[in-house]
Amino acid sequence: QSALTQPPSASGSPGQSVTISCTGTSSDVGGYNYVSWYQQHPGKAPKLMIYEVSKRPSGVPDRFSGSKSGNTASLTVSGLQADDEADYYCSSYAGTNNLVFGGGTKLTVL
Amino acid sequence: EVRLVQSGAEVKKPGESLKISCQGSGYSFTSYWIAWVRQMPGKGLEWMGIIYPGDSDTRYSPSFQGQVTMSADKSLSTAYLQWTSQQASDTAMYYCAKIVAGTRTSAFDIWGQGTMVTVSS
Repeated sequence: QSALTQPPSASGSPGQSVTISCTGTSSDVGGYNYVSWYQQHPGKAPKLMIYEVSKRPSGVPDRFSGSKSGNTASLTVSGLQADDEADYYCSSYAGTNNLVFGGGTKLTVL
Repeated sequence: EVRLVQSGAEVKKPGESLKISCQGSGYSFTSYWIAWVRQMPGKGLEWMGIIYPGDSDTRYSPSFQGQVTMSADKSLSTAYLQWTSQQASDTAMYYCAKIVAGTRTSAFDIWGQGTMVTVSS
């Protein structure tokens, strides 16, 4: 199973919005509404930010939102803050006994 | 507080065996799937597989099937990941994570702090 495709990097200034894409196939992203997004700061464990395409776990700011169209899912971070600078990974259910991650996107707050 | 606490860093030689652990607390450990995720140095996340501590039902990623063994001890609220013969390519950070119920085992809401495994001669 190939990894989902994410841009290696993204950037934005404080207060701006940035969108990170995650492209898969009809066998993963396009076939199920089970896309998740994780934030990982250097040296730390990942943190769940979005699950089931657009649901936010308790405690995640509503500045983070998720969506999906066809085989591409997206994470939008609005009102960028310095602490949003991190690596972001998408993942998708890909059928029985299978889950696939994206390669990760490094978000830089300028 | 819901927590997963993993065992400490390990340094092994090629060919040696290893078993790392992940202890849950603050929730019903036997009622939620646990996932194992590998992150090689400077690289992304890789799904290794999942285990249901309630009955030790286990599902492996095809990429890791036969390479590792997942197990769980309900009485200790602990999940394990083990290798019989480590290779240098096993050098990585290994995370356990609790799976959100009802998400087709696709979302991981609580993560352990990670166990760094280094395999070197």
